Amino acid sequence: DGGITQSPKYLFRKEGQNVTLSCEQNLNHDAMYWYRQDPGQGLRLIYYSQIVNDFQKGDIAEGYSVSREKKESFPLTVTSAQKNPTAFYLCASSTTPGRTSGKDTQYFGPGTRLTVL
Amino acid sequence: KQEVTQIPAALSVPEGENLVLNCSFTDSAIYNLQWFRQDPGKGLTSLLLIQSSQREQTSGRLNASLDKSSGRSTLYIAASQPGDSATYLCAVRNPGGATNKLIFGTGTLLAVQP
Repeated sequence: DGGITQSPKYLFRKEGQNVTLSCEQNLNHDAMYWYRQDPGQGLRLIYYSQIVNDFQKGDIAEGYSVSREKKESFPLTVTSAQKNPTAFYLCASSTTPGRTSGKDTQYFGPGTRLTVL
Repeated sequence: KQEVTQIPAALSVPEGENLVLNCSFTDSAIYNLQWFRQDPGKGLTSLLLIQSSQREQTSGRLNASLDKSSGRSTLYIAASQPGDSATYLCAVRNPGGATNKLIFGTGTLLAVQP
């Protein structure tokens, strides 16, 4: 089956601890994205990557880091510098913008719920 | 700065009713607009994508319209069913640049009562 997987489904973090959320896709998409979702708010973009070995900060990148060493993988690390990390994290991927006449919808994974203890 | 608003925040209707969800955006110069569905604790599923040059898109019982000049989009759901209960999100993509950055609204939580 083609799609996006995220793991773990639930994650608990202690104060001062770094944690890494996994995102893998087998859709052969060049672009990948990380969003944060809080209750009552829309999705906010953390980081995005248009190609391997390249990534850009989104609107709320502080306290987060990413890597893109492989096309199919885009892990997100929530560092101790992120003071309020409790949220639902969503990963998405899409074809390269502009190559599909604008029909470059994003495909989302099932999400990871992170809770700070 | 583009801002996307969805009204109402929550809606409860009896089964079988036709309903309309609203989405408004502040900058009319968009590239496209998408409607997504999100079930509780799940990821997003794309329902409809409307290009800036289009007025509407249809898929089954769903119809999405776009009026760029007024900065509005509506999602029409015909003959609603309990299985339609979910949160519906709209998102716009601004033109320019090589990215597919989406700006999301806060969503409408729909409950269809059997």
